[in-house]
Amino acid sequence: NAGVTQTPKFQVLKTGQSMTLQCAQDMNHEYMSWYRQDPGMGLRLIHYSVGAGITDQGEVPNGYNVSRSTTEDFPLRLLSAAPSQTSVYFCASSYQSANTEAFFGQGTRLTVV
Amino acid sequence: GESVGLHLPTLSVQEGDNSIINCAYSNSASDYFIWYKQESGKGPQFIIDIRSNMDKRQGQRVTVLLNKTVKHLSLQIAATQPGDSAVYFCAGGSNYKLTFGKGTLLTVNP
Repeated sequence: NAGVTQTPKFQVLKTGQSMTLQCAQDMNHEYMSWYRQDPGMGLRLIHYSVGAGITDQGEVPNGYNVSRSTTEDFPLRLLSAAPSQTSVYFCASSYQSANTEAFFGQGTRLTVV
Repeated sequence: GESVGLHLPTLSVQEGDNSIINCAYSNSASDYFIWYKQESGKGPQFIIDIRSNMDKRQGQRVTVLLNKTVKHLSLQIAATQPGDSAVYFCAGGSNYKLTFGKGTLLTVNP
């Protein structure tokens, strides 16, 4: 099993550009989530999904969209990138909900210039 | 909402000593707590979790203690090894949302 796979690992965007961060898991987990991690900060929840077709906002959802058309994939879209979105983004999945062990991807380091 | 914080941003210990990392939370309704370890350049890795109906849970070389009265939890690492050097995060919440603390950098000196 690959676990949680995120692509790309690194990305540089210009302000105003859009892009999609990919996340896929092969563990048949229902719950998936996206976090951002900034220097000196913990992880902050952006969006989460409790199953295919169901998504909801986390703590810092502005500027990001998500969809969950399949159990395996949970892409994160930046609509119009801003320098404030420069961060490391982590995707995670867990069996049923947030209150079970989560498996994290390796992260995407995004720089917006 | 939940607020989760750590008492100390850094902790330095000697190899073989026991380490204790502390964490405080604000939301009495939180019923699940978890500790993660993050090594440089990697995603967080699960260490141990505990539910609010428990006070203590032990794993391999790790113990988590939960004090609901003062809203405090701690992670104890026995016989700390150089491979334990990392940032440790506590997180708390409920079914669908977890709030993470800012992390403690644990450095193990040989």
